[in-house]
Amino acid sequence: QSLLTQPPSVSGAPGQRVTISCSGSSSNIGADYDVHWYQHLPGTAPKLLIHGNNNRPSGVPDRFSASKSGTSASLAITGLQANDEADYYCQSYDSSLSSHVFGSGTQVTVL
Amino acid sequence: QVRLVQWGAGLLKPSETLSLTCAVYGGSVRGHYWSWIRQDPGKGLEWIGEITLGGSLNYNPSLKSRLTISVDTSKSHFSLKVSSLTAADTAVYFCATKEPLGHYFDYWGQGTLVTVSS
Repeated sequence: QSLLTQPPSVSGAPGQRVTISCSGSSSNIGADYDVHWYQHLPGTAPKLLIHGNNNRPSGVPDRFSASKSGTSASLAITGLQANDEADYYCQSYDSSLSSHVFGSGTQVTVL
Repeated sequence: QVRLVQWGAGLLKPSETLSLTCAVYGGSVRGHYWSWIRQDPGKGLEWIGEITLGGSLNYNPSLKSRLTISVDTSKSHFSLKVSSLTAADTAVYFCATKEPLGHYFDYWGQGTLVTVSS
């Protein structure tokens, strides 16, 4: 069971905005550790989407943004496109486990 | 451009040892931590451990007793061994590089499915 909880799935029509939540605790997100986000198409290498709470690597469109508050974080995708269909994972560090931890993953479906 | 290419045996028996290797191409990540992560379909992503070119190691405490991570600096390869395998170790194993200051995984290998079955 993941320490970072995400909704199993979210969906939206093309052009819409969807958000994915990532709920943690006082030993990870709430301890002020950064949250990072990845996009993963099964069978391929995961791709870094957002690092350091809301920084996009070169090549990631500004349709992707993230925020963090308290013990939670969220990823927003605006202008949803068909090629956004993928699994999305949050990641942080947990001081009680002395380990990097990932969220449970959220499948995004474009209707 | 950084590229990670990984390989290793995909079908193992209980009690055997898993052995995977990852080659890192592209010099901009030589100061990174070189890491292993696995994905169990039922449990999501799990960080396994990491090593630097200087040999500094960090292991997931829940797996530490069964892990060996090593690096061959001359070849820019790093390797993972997991001993005493059980069915619970069945997963897709990824190698990745971790940015040392931001602690995020910026480049990933293609993944290797390891199945543990008698």
